[in-house]
Formats: sequence, C-alpha cells, structure tokens
Amino acid sequence: EPEVTQTPSHQVTQMGQEVILRCVPISNHLYFYWYRQILGQKVEFLVSFYNNEISEKSEIFDDQFSVERPDGSNFTLKIRSTKLEDSAMYFCAGWTGEKAGNTIYFGEGSWLTVV
Amino acid sequence: AQKITQTQPGMFVQEKEAVTLDCTYDTSDPSYGLFWYKQPSSGEMIFLIYQGSYDQQNATEGRYSLNFQKARKSANLVISASQLGDSAMYFCAMRELFSNNNDMRFGAGTRLTVKP
Repeated sequence: EPEVTQTPSHQVTQMGQEVILRCVPISNHLYFYWYRQILGQKVEFLVSFYNNEISEKSEIFDDQFSVERPDGSNFTLKIRSTKLEDSAMYFCAGWTGEKAGNTIYFGEGSWLTVV
Repeated sequence: AQKITQTQPGMFVQEKEAVTLDCTYDTSDPSYGLFWYKQPSSGEMIFLIYQGSYDQQNATEGRYSLNFQKARKSANLVISASQLGDSAMYFCAMRELFSNNNDMRFGAGTRLTVKP
C-alpha cells in the first residue's frame, strides 16, 4: 500500500531557529494537509494545500508558518522562528480529491522538540 | 462549524471482550464522512473505518464496526474481541464532503487500555 513519508522523524531545535519538515505524499493525491498534535492532546488542523496554493488554514497557522511544494513532489512545512510551544508531532496527510469515501492518509509524523 | 466530541478520555476493557468508544458530531452539511483512527504509542495515525452520511448500513472492518445513529449524530466505534494490541488512543474524525472545508477535524480522543 502506498505511503505518505515524512522526514525527519524527530528533530530537536533551539528556540528561534527555522525548521523545515518534509513530506512526500502519495502520487495521485491532489490535496495536502499539515496537522499538529501536542503531546497528549488532540490532532489539530493547520493548513490544506491544493493546486499549489493554500486552500484553508486554521488560526494556529500564523505568519511564522508557511507551506510550499517546491518541486511538485515534496510538500514542506516551514516554521520560521520556533517557539517552545511549537513542540509537537506534525503530521502530513494527503487525499485524492474524490469526494466519495476516500480517507485522508497520514504520514508517520515528525516529532519536533524545541528547547 | 464542525465539532467532534469524544466524552471518554479513558476506557478499560478486559481482553476478548467488546468495547464501545463514543463519538458525537455536529455539522450542518448534509454530506459528510466519519472516520476512526488508531494511534498507538509509536505515534502514527492508522485508519480503521469509514462511514458515509448516506450509507444505509453500519460500516464494518474485521473486528471494528461503527454504530452509526444519524438522528442522534453519533458514530460510536465498537471493537469486538479486544486484544492487547488494541491498547492505543482512538480518534473520531469528520469531514464535510461537499463544502469548501475538505479537511478532517478530530475529537479529543479516547485512550483504550486492554487488560490481560
């Protein structure tokens, strides 16, 4: 079964540093998402991306966050100046765009620790 | 706005018994999908089961079944014959299928512990 792959699996960074999390979605997926899960808490929607632009974003996705798909394959989430509260698991996900029943497939997550 | 409620922060079940994890939702969209995901301690999100709002029958996938009560807006997950490997967090999620919001929104989760 095709998988959404994410790198790195775990990153430790100092507060104020920039972080880029990378995702390789399944090839026939058209919609891409980033979700965040702070340890022990619920999975929170950050942003959705379609046709090379953001289609929706949550209130969490402020100016320090950005997404892009630079080469038509990788889908990246950039955090410009990390804060302690950015420590979380970040999930990339993808969807084919077919309305009837297809689920959103998640990667295994990138665990970010800001120190 | 979508809203998913899971009222059981933690549940315990004896191995080989069945357990029901509750989920209620709120949406004004007539077409939506309901999903359950399992998150083991390793952290990945594993898709378990899907129910469409227009599906006439409750979804089943092996030991997982979804008790869908549309009028009550509930989509409870039933796990039959629990196994030790079922111990994990379980998230209910919903996606409105014919709105501009095509993302998936999650409940707070239920931590299931299976006792030997």
